[in-house]
Amino acid sequence: GENVEQHPSTLSVQEGDSAVIKCTYSDSASNYFPWYKQELGKGPQLIIDIRSNVGEKKDQRIAVTLNKTAKHFSLHITETQPEDSAVYFCAASRSGGGNKLTFGTGTQLKVEL
Amino acid sequence: DAGVIQSPRHEVTEMGQEVTLRCKPISGHDYLFWYRQTMMRGLELLIYFNNNVPIDDSGMPEDRFSAKMPNASFSTLKIQPSEPRDSAVYFCASSPPASESSYNEQFFGPGTRLTVL
Repeated sequence: GENVEQHPSTLSVQEGDSAVIKCTYSDSASNYFPWYKQELGKGPQLIIDIRSNVGEKKDQRIAVTLNKTAKHFSLHITETQPEDSAVYFCAASRSGGGNKLTFGTGTQLKVEL
Repeated sequence: DAGVIQSPRHEVTEMGQEVTLRCKPISGHDYLFWYRQTMMRGLELLIYFNNNVPIDDSGMPEDRFSAKMPNASFSTLKIQPSEPRDSAVYFCASSPPASESSYNEQFFGPGTRLTVL
C-alpha cells in the first residue's frame, strides 16, 4: 500500500518568513495530493491540492509543488501570519482508490511574533 | 450545510465499558470514513463506506471495534470492551461521489475525544 512520509514534524518561523513542509510517497500510481490544516480542537480542513498532471499550484500565500519522478511534494507558505499556526498534513491518493487518502504524520507549524 | 456532525464531542468511560460514537455525514455524500488520531500514530484510517457498504476495514485494530452504516445519513463506531489504549480523537469524514477524472475533498467532523480510564 501507499506510504507517505512528512518532514519536519515541528517547524517554528518568525512572522513574515516562509515555511516549507515536505512529503514523499511510495506508490507511483498515486496522482492526487491534498494538504490539510488542522487547528486546535478541530478536524482537518483542505487548504490546497494538486494533481499529477501539473507541477505547481498556487493560491494566494500558499503553493504546492510536485515532483513525480522523485515522488515528493511540498507545501510552501509565504508571509506567514500567526493564524497559520496549526498542524499540517499531506496526503496521497490514486484514482480508482475510492477516495481513500493516506496521510503523512503531520507538521506542527508555529508562527512566532 | 451543517457539515459533518459527530456525537458526543467528549466521552470518558471506564475500561471494559461499551462506547458508541456517532456520525452524520453531509447530505449527498456517499463516502464515509472513520479515522483515529493519536500523538504516537497520527491520523489512521479505520474503515470507510461507499453507499452504506463497508469497502475497506483493514485499519480496524481488532475485533473489539465495529462500524455500521444503516443508512446514508448515519454511521456508528462501536468499541466493546473499551481499553485505555483506545483513548484518542476519533474523526468521521465524508466526501461526494468519486470518478476516474475527479478527486473529492474529504470533509471532517469536529471529532470525538475518547478517554478510557
